[in-house]
Amino acid sequence: AQSVTQLDSQVPVFEEAPVELRCNYSSSVSVYLFWYVQYPNQGLQLLLKYLSGSTLVESINGFEAEFNKSQTSFHLRKPSVHISDTAEYFCAVSEADKLIFGTGTRLQVFP
Amino acid sequence: DGGITQSPKYLFRKEGQNVTLSCEQNLNHDAMYWYRQDPGQGLRLIYYSQIVNDFQKGDIAEGYSVSREKKESFPLTVTSAQKNPTAFYLCASSPYGPGEAFFGQGTRLTVV
Repeated sequence: AQSVTQLDSQVPVFEEAPVELRCNYSSSVSVYLFWYVQYPNQGLQLLLKYLSGSTLVESINGFEAEFNKSQTSFHLRKPSVHISDTAEYFCAVSEADKLIFGTGTRLQVFP
Repeated sequence: DGGITQSPKYLFRKEGQNVTLSCEQNLNHDAMYWYRQDPGQGLRLIYYSQIVNDFQKGDIAEGYSVSREKKESFPLTVTSAQKNPTAFYLCASSPYGPGEAFFGQGTRLTVV
């Protein structure tokens, strides 16, 4: 069975600094990978996804993630964070007919 | 507007009572899912359904039941057999298989 590891439960960072949220998955076979964002007391929103093609995928708000098959990783990066990026971020991997989620990383951006 | 609606947003129940959480979608998606979210544990899959009148257990199905009588609806019942039901419950749908999922706003259930 697939599993997803998000090593950092919390990541504090100052505004305008770069950030990386790490995600590793267990399988080396073809997978679909996703990053979701959750604001307090809300559902999850899709941030970006990798299905095939270019290993670097981007979101509309400046986040990007790179699929690395050899390292089974899909780390999320942003070169300069804003206060509004404060949220919980979940990495997910597809398995057959369902999604498997990591335990989440809480990104806290300080002014 | 297309989307997934979960109701109610907050729910309080006494211990020992069954409670049903509603999830409706108008996205014409075939697949629907129920997840439970607890602090520090991420999202854990309770039940999922790929087609009407069929559903499968997820990782933590004990103490829960579902039905899928209509494509648009996938209600979750939290029974008295669930030992620790207080949590945030999220419903999701997807157009097919392992594609991206669309989430509702969640229901926070508190059992006292």
